[in-house]
Amino acid sequence: QITLKESGPTLVKPTQTLTLTCTFSGFSLITSGVGVGWIRQPPGKALEWLALIYWDDDKRYSPSLKNRLTITKDTSKNQVVLTVTNMDPVDTATYYCAHTETPDAFDLWGQGTLVTVSS
Amino acid sequence: QSALTQPASVSGAPGQSITISCTGTSVGSYNLVSWYQQHPGKAPKLMIYEVSKRPSGVSNRFSGSKSGNTASLTISGLQPEDEADYYCCSYAGRSTVVFGGGTKLTVL
Repeated sequence: QITLKESGPTLVKPTQTLTLTCTFSGFSLITSGVGVGWIRQPPGKALEWLALIYWDDDKRYSPSLKNRLTITKDTSKNQVVLTVTNMDPVDTATYYCAHTETPDAFDLWGQGTLVTVSS
Repeated sequence: QSALTQPASVSGAPGQSITISCTGTSVGSYNLVSWYQQHPGKAPKLMIYEVSKRPSGVSNRFSGSKSGNTASLTISGLQPEDEADYYCCSYAGRSTVVFGGGTKLTVL
């Protein structure tokens, strides 16, 4: 059974760096074809894809946020970490991590974690 | 990488069929479109991938198709529990994806 869970601060101040951790079980990020992505959703708004990391350490980022995002993995801990620099109130959102084995689809998602950006 | 265009809302009566469209250039470029169902306060759930494939456990009332730059999700035999937000997602090249703006489905 595959599970994912996001963790990190619920409140960050403007200009700070956000660090989120996705801890997963039921699969390995050393298995060929496996990836973990991050997607966010501002309150009442649409989903927005942020980043993706694959088993071979290939990393992909949303072009619009590329300069602010870093995704890494720790296969020994079954974790994927996303950092977002220079946080702004518009970055207030629920942040999800999700498992993928196909180019277009995230088949299993974490419960999400709400991050609020406010001074 | 432009967001995909979906209607803001659709509605249908129980037992009817509805179709949600999803338009964008990336849709036309790849046969890699997925659809997600999201109930309020819940994480999205994958309903369709690679345009028309259903994951195990998803009802066959849900089907997907594509023509040109537009993908479609059809839900037949509408049920009250189908009321939710629906998002399309397309592969956009270089291992990136893009989501649509979402469609709110109301079951009348």
